[in-house]
Amino acid sequence: DIQMTQSPSAMSASVGDTVTITCRASQDISNYLAWLQQKPGKVPKRLISAASSLQSGVPSRFSGSGSGTEFTLTISSLQPEDFATYYCLQHKTFPRTFGQGTKVEVK
Amino acid sequence: EVQLLQSGGGLAQPGGSLRLSCAASGYFFSSYAMSWVRQAPGKGLEWVSGISGSGESTYYAEFVKGRFTISSDKSKSTVYLQMNSLRAEDTAVYYCAKDRIFGVEGAFDIWGQGTVVTVSS
Repeated sequence: DIQMTQSPSAMSASVGDTVTITCRASQDISNYLAWLQQKPGKVPKRLISAASSLQSGVPSRFSGSGSGTEFTLTISSLQPEDFATYYCLQHKTFPRTFGQGTKVEVK
Repeated sequence: EVQLLQSGGGLAQPGGSLRLSCAASGYFFSSYAMSWVRQAPGKGLEWVSGISGSGESTYYAEFVKGRFTISSDKSKSTVYLQMNSLRAEDTAVYYCAKDRIFGVEGAFDIWGQGTVVTVSS
């Protein structure tokens, strides 16, 4: 099975900050990686597909990069609505695997 | 509009059974796989099971193998998750999510609304 190691598990940030979250796959997954955002009590929402393709309707301050085993989600100029938990997800093979999640909290 | 509508779930005793349903609409059902994902209280997302668009291939996380069965009815564009021998640790919100078959797009872009499963005596 492919393991996804996501870091950090939590972080404190302020509005306007740039936030970077990293995910590492235990083997090459090419670009079969998605980034999801989840707010408390809400359904997860896909932000990024194919490692770097922004989902329609998602603000351009969100960006993804990487391929193979190293991936990054960057949020530029953090907004109040961005405080949430973020997950990476590999869908190269079954079983699908999620990162542990990164909770972005208000500093 | 592309959507997934979930039903089922609720309260079950340890060792009991429940069945979840996920009805898809707005896209060609057989062109995509479907996955079930769960989230225990205060925990992260955890993939549970998946099924190909044809229904011929099924996949399970180790912790549900032999207890849960995923199936589909193409005539109803619906995927089911039969959960047997339930344990307290199966307590979670369960989501269905549209998954991909071919290409890198189309995976986990659409999610059901979630359904609560509680296993308790």
